[in-house]
Amino acid sequence: AQKITQTQPGMFVQEKEAVTLDCTYDTSDPSYGLFWYKQPSSGEMIFLIYQGSYDQQNATEGRYSLNFQKARKSANLVISASQLGDSAMYFCALSRGKLIFGQGTELSVKP
Amino acid sequence: DTGVSQDPRHKITKRGQNVTFRCDPISEHNRLYWYRQTLGQGPEFLTYFQNEAQLEKSRLLSDRFSAERPKGSFSTLEIQRTEQGDSAMYLCASSLGTSGEETQYFGPGTRLLVL
Repeated sequence: AQKITQTQPGMFVQEKEAVTLDCTYDTSDPSYGLFWYKQPSSGEMIFLIYQGSYDQQNATEGRYSLNFQKARKSANLVISASQLGDSAMYFCALSRGKLIFGQGTELSVKP
Repeated sequence: DTGVSQDPRHKITKRGQNVTFRCDPISEHNRLYWYRQTLGQGPEFLTYFQNEAQLEKSRLLSDRFSAERPKGSFSTLEIQRTEQGDSAMYLCASSLGTSGEETQYFGPGTRLLVL
């Protein structure tokens, strides 16, 4: 069965510091995609970054990077230089056409 | 180009009433997805369309739920005889492609409260 596990219900980080949000996944498909989304209190899911299972390099998008370790089945999100506006829920998702989401991590950035 | 839009943004209804939500995807996106998100949980897949064809339905989608995408553009999700357990955020997303690994772009969601 396909599954996403996010073990950190909540995280705190000081403004301007880096933070890593953990995500592990389980799938038997040889080809899959991994996504991270941000959900502010307004509710909209905002796409952050994508990693394909066959991609040789870790994905990066501005301050976001994905630490993809295929053998460990982990796809951790790294946010560098945290900003107050980064405070939100963060969801990791596995793609099989439909998205399978984890429980999310609530990130709070302290000034 | 506008993003995914959903209407209404909020809906309060009484138990037993029918409700209908609308989703307008990003123009030219061939796939459209519906998800449901309850408080403190990640979104859960309900159903998806490729053009006008409904290709998959979750077991979460009981007989009271029906979704359509008649012309392959906008979609509607109807809930008949609403129950308090239907209270949730209903999210719509769209994507372009057929591999199943395309990025899905989400709308702002419709928050449903069943009294």
